[in-house]
Amino acid sequence: KAGVTQTPRYLIKTRGQQVTLSCSPISGHRSVSWYQQTPGQGLQFLFEYFSETQRNKGNFPGRFSGRQFSNSRSEMNVSTLELGDSALYLCASSPGQANTEAFFGQGTRLTVV
Amino acid sequence: AQKVTQAQTEISVVEKEDVTLDCVYETRDTTYYLFWYKQPPSGELVFLIRRNSFDEQNEISGRYSWNFQKSTSSFNFTITASQVVDSAVYFCALNMDSNYQLIWGAGTKLIIKP
Repeated sequence: KAGVTQTPRYLIKTRGQQVTLSCSPISGHRSVSWYQQTPGQGLQFLFEYFSETQRNKGNFPGRFSGRQFSNSRSEMNVSTLELGDSALYLCASSPGQANTEAFFGQGTRLTVV
Repeated sequence: AQKVTQAQTEISVVEKEDVTLDCVYETRDTTYYLFWYKQPPSGELVFLIRRNSFDEQNEISGRYSWNFQKSTSSFNFTITASQVVDSAVYFCALNMDSNYQLIWGAGTKLIIKP
C-alpha cells in the first residue's frame, strides 16, 4: 500500500511569490491535514480537510489556503511569501476520526529567499 | 486549553542504556487520544503508538514501552537497551473528538552515542 506522497520535496522561492504544495494521501483515507514545522515554533497545525470540506483551521494568516479534491488529494497554497514562511511542510493522511493515527509524508522543504 | 509539554529538550545517552522521554498533557475533554511519533533526520514523522484515554493499560513493543497515567496526565515513553538507530526527535501529541488536529509537544531530541 503506497504511503503519503508530497511533492515537491524541496522548493526555493523568492519573497512575494506564491507556492503550491501537493499531497496524495493513502488510498482510502479521506482526511488530509497540513502542518508547518520550524525550529522556533515547532509543529503547528495549518488546516484539515475531510471529503473536500475544511473541518478545522489553525491560526495562520489568510495567505495560507488549501483545498481537497474528490480523490482526497490536497493542495496548500501560500501567497505573497515571506522569509518566515521558510519551513518543512508536512501532510498527514488518516481515515478521519480523532482516534485513528495519522500517517505523514516526507514533507516539502520550502526556502524563501 | 489543550497543551502537551515535553520538558526534555535533548537527551544524550550511551548505547545500551535505558532512557525515558516524558510527556505531560492538558485537556478538559474526557475522551482523548495520545500519540508518540518519531522523526528521524529524513524528516518524516513515523507513528509509534496511540493510546485512548479510557485505556490506561501500559504497552510494550519490543524495546519500547509506554506508561500512561491519567492521575498525573502523563504518557511517558521508555526505550530499553537503546541503540544508535533510536537517535531521532520524538514527539508526543494529543487529539480529541471535539477537534481535528494533533496538538504537539515541542519534541525531545534523543542522541544515542556508540
